[in-house]
Amino acid sequence: GDSVTQMEGPVTLSEEAFLTINCTYTATGYPSLFWYVQYPGEGLQLLLKATKADDKGSNKGFEATYRKETTSFHLEKGSVQVSDSAVYFCALSQANAGGTSYGKLTFGQGTILTVHP
Amino acid sequence: DAGVIQSPRHEVTEMGQEVTLRCKPISGHDYLFWYRQTMMRGLELLIYFNNNVPIDDSGMPEDRFSAKMPNASFSTLKIQPSEPRDSAVYFCASSLRAGGKYEQYFGPGTRLTVT
Repeated sequence: GDSVTQMEGPVTLSEEAFLTINCTYTATGYPSLFWYVQYPGEGLQLLLKATKADDKGSNKGFEATYRKETTSFHLEKGSVQVSDSAVYFCALSQANAGGTSYGKLTFGQGTILTVHP
Repeated sequence: DAGVIQSPRHEVTEMGQEVTLRCKPISGHDYLFWYRQTMMRGLELLIYFNNNVPIDDSGMPEDRFSAKMPNASFSTLKIQPSEPRDSAVYFCASSLRAGGKYEQYFGPGTRLTVT
């Protein structure tokens, strides 16, 4: 079945450092890929997404590129802020060739990010 | 829009009691999902509905758990009887299937503590 594997956490960085959180997936067909973020005490929010190979999703300075050849969707940010401290989840959704999702998301285990001033 | 609404936000109950969690999805959304989050097991999909019909309940841990969606604007997750190992944060999410632009919107969660 489908699965998503994220790098082990927690990740601790100083403000303005470069961030990479690795995500790899196993899936057949045409998955769409997502990064969700969960701030303390809140539900998950969509951060960015990519629906086909070589697409780059971006939002709030975060980026991730859908790499089908390496089955990866690594999250990056050039300069993190204290306010980026949260748990980050990589996820995939199966879709048909036309990009219409089947609805169900498969999540990775989450990576805790802490950014110090 | 008000977003996905869950109630209660916190629930503390004793082992053996019945617990009912409630969710109101975003108006117009046709998918509804129930998740459970714990430190040990991470985020688990319990069940999801499409147009009020349960599609996949393979994540429901056991018969003590049941979920219903009587109409497009309301769903419940019931645990009867509750056990301490059910302590977790339960999230409801909804989405609209719309040609590749689909995303799930999560509610704030219900933190359940069973003593």
